Amino acid sequence: KQEVTQIPAALSVPEGENLVLNCSFTDSAIYNLQWFRQDPGKGLTSLLLIQSSQREQTSGRLNASLDKSSGRSTLYIAASQPGDSATYLCATSGTYKYIFGTGTRLKVLA
Amino acid sequence: DGGITQSPKYLFRKEGQNVTLSCEQNLNHDAMYWYRQDPGQGLRLIYYSQIVNDFQKGDIAEGYSVSREKKESFPLTVTSAQKNPTAFYLCASNGLAGGQDTQYFGPGTRLTVL
Repeated sequence: KQEVTQIPAALSVPEGENLVLNCSFTDSAIYNLQWFRQDPGKGLTSLLLIQSSQREQTSGRLNASLDKSSGRSTLYIAASQPGDSATYLCATSGTYKYIFGTGTRLKVLA
Repeated sequence: DGGITQSPKYLFRKEGQNVTLSCEQNLNHDAMYWYRQDPGQGLRLIYYSQIVNDFQKGDIAEGYSVSREKKESFPLTVTSAQKNPTAFYLCASNGLAGGQDTQYFGPGTRLTVL
């Protein structure tokens, strides 16, 4: 059974710092891996999706990488801003189902 | 604008009551999902539907029921059999974005048992 883990559970950084969020999964037989952002009391917004055949995806200040063999993905945020404060979740997809990590709660201090 | 709507945003339930959470999408997606989110936990799958008139249990289906009579709608009923229903409920659908299969989420319904 797929298990997805995100460490750390919470992170505080000063504005402008580059940071990396980690996601690990136990079963490498995935279709894709997706990173989401969730603001308090809101739904999830998709940030980046990496297909199983890809190594990384980039969107603006965000870069996500995928290493299926080691069961790891990272989300790199460059030049962090207070507006980046949110919870970031990763999810692996299999046949019709997504398995979510518990998320990393990020706070960027002005 | 295309998207997923959930209603109500907040819902209060008395002990022993059944309540129904609404989820509607105009994205023309076939697959729809219901998740439950508790503080400090990830999303857990309750039910999912790949096509109209068909649905499957997820990991925590006990005490919940769904229907999928229309492509656009996937309502979730929280029955009195669900012993700890207070949580944040998220509806999602699956569709293609840039050629990739992507999950889209609604804004959520927060259910509180009084």
